[in-house]
Amino acid sequence: DTGVSQDPRHKITKRGQNVTFRCDPISEHNRLYWYRQTLGQGPEFLTYFQNEAQLEKSRLLSDRFSAERPKGSFSTLEIQRTEQGDSAMYLCASSPDSGGYTFGSGTRLTVV
Amino acid sequence: QKEVEQDPGPLSVPEGAIVSLNCTYSNSAFQYFMWYRQYSRKGPELLMYTYSSGNKEDGRFTAQVDKSSKYISLFIRDSQPSDSATYLCAMSSDSWGKFQFGAGTQVVVTP
Repeated sequence: DTGVSQDPRHKITKRGQNVTFRCDPISEHNRLYWYRQTLGQGPEFLTYFQNEAQLEKSRLLSDRFSAERPKGSFSTLEIQRTEQGDSAMYLCASSPDSGGYTFGSGTRLTVV
Repeated sequence: QKEVEQDPGPLSVPEGAIVSLNCTYSNSAFQYFMWYRQYSRKGPELLMYTYSSGNKEDGRFTAQVDKSSKYISLFIRDSQPSDSATYLCAMSSDSWGKFQFGAGTQVVVTP
């Protein structure tokens, strides 16, 4: 297994467009997390899944954001009607039951 | 006031020196602690994962947790220019949920 994979690595989109990111976790990890990181800041929690169940959502996750993890494998994060303030690095992480996150390389979103 | 405080640096040290990093926190429920290294425009890389108080050593890295003082530290021995990165601390009250991250400390190791 090569770790947590995220796609795309970079995304440039026009304001108002919808974007979708994909995360493939480490196969034996049943927990999957989405974080957002802006320049000079640490990652901020968005949401997490245990298998296919979404167990917690941050208030940062507005109605324009939605995350899914069908069948408890890969996950998608969709942002509708993007705004310039959505520009950030979107990080996915997965974790085994024993704890400790492994992050992917992230998807860098630029909204112009 | 943020739950997790971390000096942003930059912290500049000569090659071979010991790098000392720390974070303070306010939530006494935190008992799981992680340290990450992040290179520019890359995802964070897990260095150390510890539970409760005490010390943990892994190669050149030593993590310390002092829950009574709400203070955690990471020491890097024999620092190398390749250790130049941003170091993030993270903590949580449980092992499976969300972790609260510090803003990161930028470290520069000069040859």
